[in-house]
Amino acid sequence: AQTVTQSQPEMSVQEAETVTLSCTYDTSESDYYLFWYKQPPSRQMILVIRQEAYKQQNATENRFSVNFQKAAKSFSLKISDSQLGDAAMYFCAYSSRQGAQKLVFGQGTRLTINP
Amino acid sequence: ETGVTQTPRHLVMGMTNKKSLKCEQHLGHNAMYWYKQSAKKPLELMFVYNFKEQTENNSVPSRFSPECPNSSHLFLHLHTLQPEDSALYLCASSYRALPGDTDTQYFGPGTRLTVL
Repeated sequence: AQTVTQSQPEMSVQEAETVTLSCTYDTSESDYYLFWYKQPPSRQMILVIRQEAYKQQNATENRFSVNFQKAAKSFSLKISDSQLGDAAMYFCAYSSRQGAQKLVFGQGTRLTINP
Repeated sequence: ETGVTQTPRHLVMGMTNKKSLKCEQHLGHNAMYWYKQSAKKPLELMFVYNFKEQTENNSVPSRFSPECPNSSHLFLHLHTLQPEDSALYLCASSYRALPGDTDTQYFGPGTRLTVL
């Protein structure tokens, strides 16, 4: 079974600085998808970014980018120019190409933005 | 983001009560999901519905009974719950992807359930 591990329960960063959240996963599959979701205090789980494993190019969405290292099974999220609104729980998630509807989530990282 | 709505937002119930959680999606999706988010545990997938048909039951106890009358609505009927069932229950929806592609799931705000 696939597992997703987020080893940083909490992180903090100064406003306007850059922060990187770590995620590792374990799978025997070669084709899969990885996601970062954000859950602010409102509890709404919001998709931040998605990466297809077959793509070597790292996904980017405005201030959010990933560092996808397939061999190392690592999928970190970099947030540039951190803003107060980025404060939230961040969850890394995995889905296989075969079982695409089964998202496997990590435990989450709570990100605090210091003004 | 109001694409997926859930009611009620908060629910307190006794172990002998019967209650229902409701989810509605306004995104034109054809797949819907129930997740459970407990403190200090990762989100757990409970049920998956595709085109109103249940396609996944992740070994969920029978005291949780889902219902999907159409592609826009999903219910979770609750009866004789236990205190350990207290959690945030999240609904999600997606387009049912073609084989080989993935479904990007969009979540509702959740129902915070407390079982006394």
